Formats: sequence, C-alpha cells, structure tokens
Amino acid sequence: AQSVTQPDIHITVSEGASLELRCNYSYGATPYLFWYVQSPGQGLQLLLKYFSGDTLVQGIKGFEAEFKRSQSSFNLRKPSVHWSDAAEYFCAGGGTSYGKLTFGQGTILTVHP
Amino acid sequence: EAGVAQSPRYKIIEKRQSVAFWCNPISGHATLYWYQQILGQGPKLLIQFQNNGVVDDSQLPKDRFSAERLKGVDSTLKIQPAKLEDSAVYLCASSSGTSGDYTDTQYFGPGTRLTVL
Repeated sequence: AQSVTQPDIHITVSEGASLELRCNYSYGATPYLFWYVQSPGQGLQLLLKYFSGDTLVQGIKGFEAEFKRSQSSFNLRKPSVHWSDAAEYFCAGGGTSYGKLTFGQGTILTVHP
Repeated sequence: EAGVAQSPRYKIIEKRQSVAFWCNPISGHATLYWYQQILGQGPKLLIQFQNNGVVDDSQLPKDRFSAERLKGVDSTLKIQPAKLEDSAVYLCASSSGTSGDYTDTQYFGPGTRLTVL
C-alpha cells in the first residue's frame, strides 16, 4: 500500500545545532513528496516539494530535503536550528499527480536554548 | 492576500448533536479540500471540490458527514450526528489550479478544533 512514514515522533535539538527529520515513502513510481510545518494553532505551511529533477530541494526558512530513491527517503534538513523552528513537521506524498495526498504522522520538534 | 478563513475556531458538543464548519478559501482558488486531523496523526483528506463539483469523497463517512460548496466559493462541512471519535481538528485548504494536481500548492486555514463529549 502507498504510505508515508515518519519514524520519529518527537525530536529535541539545541538551538544552533543541525537538524534532520526522517521520512520514508512506499510508492511504486517516483512519488510526489512534500514537507509541511504546523505551528501551534496554525494551519499547515508548505516548506518544500519534490516532483522530479534535482534530488536536492531547497525550501523556505532555510530548509532543504533530499530525495533518495535507493533508500525510499525524503529527509528534511536544516544546518542551524532557531528557536522559532519548534513546531510539528509533516511529510506527505502521492503516487500520481492527482488523487489523495497521504500524510505521515508527524514529528514534533523541540528546540532547547 | 488574505488566507484561508475558517470558523468557528473551537467547538464543543455532546455526542449525537450536529455541528457545521465553514471555510472561505483564498479568492479565485478553484480547488477546496477538507481534512480531518486526529490528535497524534497527520491530516486525512475527507473531500476535495473542484469549483462546486466533488472530485474525491472516498474517505468521507457519508452516513454522518456531508459537505457542500455553493457557487464554487465558500464551503460547509457538517457532521450529524457526531460521535466521540469525530473529535479532531478539521482543516480546510485551497489551491489555485483547476487541474487539482500536486503542482498546485495547497494553502491551509487554521482549522476548527472539535471536541465531542
């Protein structure tokens, strides 16, 4: 079945440290992949998306993600985390350009000063 | 540019009561989505509209949930009667394209938090 999995429910990092949030997908063909961020009381905001082409995708707020077909992964990275990055992050995917987006269960990021 | 508006922001009801949520998408956006986000889970698509027509409602529990999008603009999601397991945040999103595919970024509203007692 097509699915998106985020193995880490909660991650804590210190401010200024690097960050990597994991996302694994299960799709037959090249999937359409997204990362969203949700701050408390707010809707989801798109950070970046991958459809095809360059496997390293740049997004907003200094985030990037790398599509690795061999590992079925689309991990989100940031070289230096700011306290304002504390939020919940969702990976989402689709098997074709139409149809339902499937979201992972989310990773809560806590940033220590 | 104004974002996606939703109301109410919070709602508490007793089980078996009915409730309705309202969504006003970004002006000019043809596609509108309703998602259900249960605590600890990612959003799940309930229904997708293209203008005022339904594109996908395969995950909408049609025995109790209904949705409409009159005139291809505002939309209302209704639950009647509500069950305890309907407690969740209901998110509305819209996108500009008429194709409804993923190249059109979805913009999300702040959501309505429903608690069913």
